[in-house]
Amino acid sequence: DIQMTQSPSSLSASVGDRVTITCRASQSISSYLNWYQQKPGKAPKLLIYAASSLQSGVPSRFSGFRSGTDFTLTISSLQPEDFAIYYCQQTYNTPWTFGQGTKVEIK
Amino acid sequence: EVQLVQSGAEVKKPGESLKISCKGSGNSFTNNWIGWVRQMPGKGLEWMGIIYPGDSDTRYSPSFQGQVTISADKSITTAYLQWSSLKASDTAMYYCARFFGDYAPRGDYWGQGTLVTVSS
Repeated sequence: DIQMTQSPSSLSASVGDRVTITCRASQSISSYLNWYQQKPGKAPKLLIYAASSLQSGVPSRFSGFRSGTDFTLTISSLQPEDFAIYYCQQTYNTPWTFGQGTKVEIK
Repeated sequence: EVQLVQSGAEVKKPGESLKISCKGSGNSFTNNWIGWVRQMPGKGLEWMGIIYPGDSDTRYSPSFQGQVTISADKSITTAYLQWSSLKASDTAMYYCARFFGDYAPRGDYWGQGTLVTVSS
């Protein structure tokens, strides 16, 4: 199975901060990498697909980048509604594994 | 608009069987992968498996192979997740999702989740 390692596991930030979350794949997954946001009691929501494509309706402050097997999700200016847990997922090979999640909390 | 509507919460005893459902809308259901994701209380997302309702091609995570069965009935655009003998450790929220796209499939639509509680 392909392992997806996210870092950090949690972070504290203030409204307006620039936030970056990293996800590393255990082997090459091309750009088959998605990012999701999950709020308490809700289903995950797709933010970014194919490493850097913004899902329709998602604010442009969210962006994704790939460098080899390292992937980053950046929130350019954190908003109050962005406090949530973020997950990466590879869909290159089954099982389509998720990272362990990064919790973004209010500082 | 695409919608996935899951069946309601279940409370079961260990050893009982269970089948939960995920009803989707129209052609987008039949021609895309439908996946199941487990989320245990306070934990992260775990990919269980996927099914392509058009031909019932099914793939399982090794962690869930033999523990659950994924199926679909394309005539009623519904996917299923079933257990033959539940354990307390199956207590979790279960989500279905449509995985769209041949290149980098992504979970673009999700069901609301089905909470399964297994307790004696």
